[in-house]
Amino acid sequence: SAVISQKPSRDICQRGTSLTIQCQVDSQVTMMFWYRQQPGQSLTLIATANQGSEATYESGFVIDKFPISRPNLTFSTLTVSNMSPEDSSIYLCSVVRQMNTEAFFGQGTRLTVV
Amino acid sequence: DAKTTQPNSMESNEEEPVHLPCNHSTISGTDYIHWYRQLPSQGPEYVIHGLTSNVNNRMASLAIAEDRKSSTLILHRATLRDAAVYYCILRDVSGGGSNYKLTFGKGTLLTVNP
Repeated sequence: SAVISQKPSRDICQRGTSLTIQCQVDSQVTMMFWYRQQPGQSLTLIATANQGSEATYESGFVIDKFPISRPNLTFSTLTVSNMSPEDSSIYLCSVVRQMNTEAFFGQGTRLTVV
Repeated sequence: DAKTTQPNSMESNEEEPVHLPCNHSTISGTDYIHWYRQLPSQGPEYVIHGLTSNVNNRMASLAIAEDRKSSTLILHRATLRDAAVYYCILRDVSGGGSNYKLTFGKGTLLTVNP
């Protein structure tokens, strides 16, 4: 298994500001991902966080809006920039230890933009 | 990505078996069938996965049709803690080490009655 700590667990932010979400894993993992879950919806992959290089973004997500860092094999951050109420969602970190094994998910960060 | 089709919701009684179906008629030879579940206010958790043969673990069983176009997740004795959204996901392993994308559909909301 993998123990994932996501911070903050929830936040209420003013529109136009930015929030950085942290994801810390208890041991080294091969892959780290960020997902978004909009209210009442399923999960959507935002990007794959690559260690030491730029993240790989899915269609519809851009680096300027969701900058991601992954400085090492156990830590990643997702920033939600210039927030609007439409960014109100749960943001989840996910990790995979090795290919062809299961993915583990953090508890999520519940973001409300007012 | 190959698509899956699941019922929106199902209901079960406590301590009875539950069979959650999933159709994936466009599955390819390199698609693994994964099941995750999401309990209320939590991130998804891995349940089980398989390729061709039926699989069992401590949480559930996975029955895969001979043509692989459908599968069934079996909870042998449902408990109240099993109430969750269950996601059936196809993961393509043909990309090798660089590909680990999970595409979540709407899933099946399982209600367990006491």
